[in-house]
Amino acid sequence: GENVEQHPSTLSVQEGDSAVIKCTYSDSASNYFPWYKQELGKGPQLIIDIRSNVGEKKDQRIAVTLNKTAKHFSLHITETQPEDSAVYFCAASINTGNQFYFGTGTSLTVIP
Amino acid sequence: GAVVSQHPSWVICKSGTSVKIECRSLDFQATTMFWYRQFPKQSLMLMATSNEGSKATYEQGVEKDKFLINHASLTLSTLTVTSAHPEDSSFYICSASTMRGGRTQYFGPGTRLTVL
Repeated sequence: GENVEQHPSTLSVQEGDSAVIKCTYSDSASNYFPWYKQELGKGPQLIIDIRSNVGEKKDQRIAVTLNKTAKHFSLHITETQPEDSAVYFCAASINTGNQFYFGTGTSLTVIP
Repeated sequence: GAVVSQHPSWVICKSGTSVKIECRSLDFQATTMFWYRQFPKQSLMLMATSNEGSKATYEQGVEKDKFLINHASLTLSTLTVTSAHPEDSSFYICSASTMRGGRTQYFGPGTRLTVL
């Protein structure tokens, strides 16, 4: 089955700096890669996703890049703000299947 | 759009009682709903997958007689924790999947269960 690894497990950045979280996956059939943000005591919220037919996607301060050959994808947050502090999860799935395979999460702290 | 609700948001119950958690997709029809369990500072652990009108598919190690899942309609799934024990205390999260955009999962806000 699919195995998703996520690094780092914790990340602290100064407000205004960039944050990068990386994930690798094992199954070359995976073709859908969402990123979720989870605040304390709440459910995960989809913040951005990418499909395997594109290499990069951007939404304001958030971007995701995908390298299919190397089987890794990354989340980039620029101009970080304290409200970006949360746990971020990556996931991988095969579009035609149901199951999402989640990474272990990254706890991001943005220091004011 | 793509809002998923859960009820209750938290529940405290006595050991041996049963607790029902509802998951609803509010503005879309969910082809599939998922139930996850999350321990503090850990990732999401998939418990089961349910499709409307059919039996749920449970992950290995999840007791189907203890965690009863009913997916009665395209907008409602329920998880019943039967004969709850303190070790069942956890954060339970549902998600709903839609074909719109290609099977993206949208998560509910979660339910905090505490069994005394």
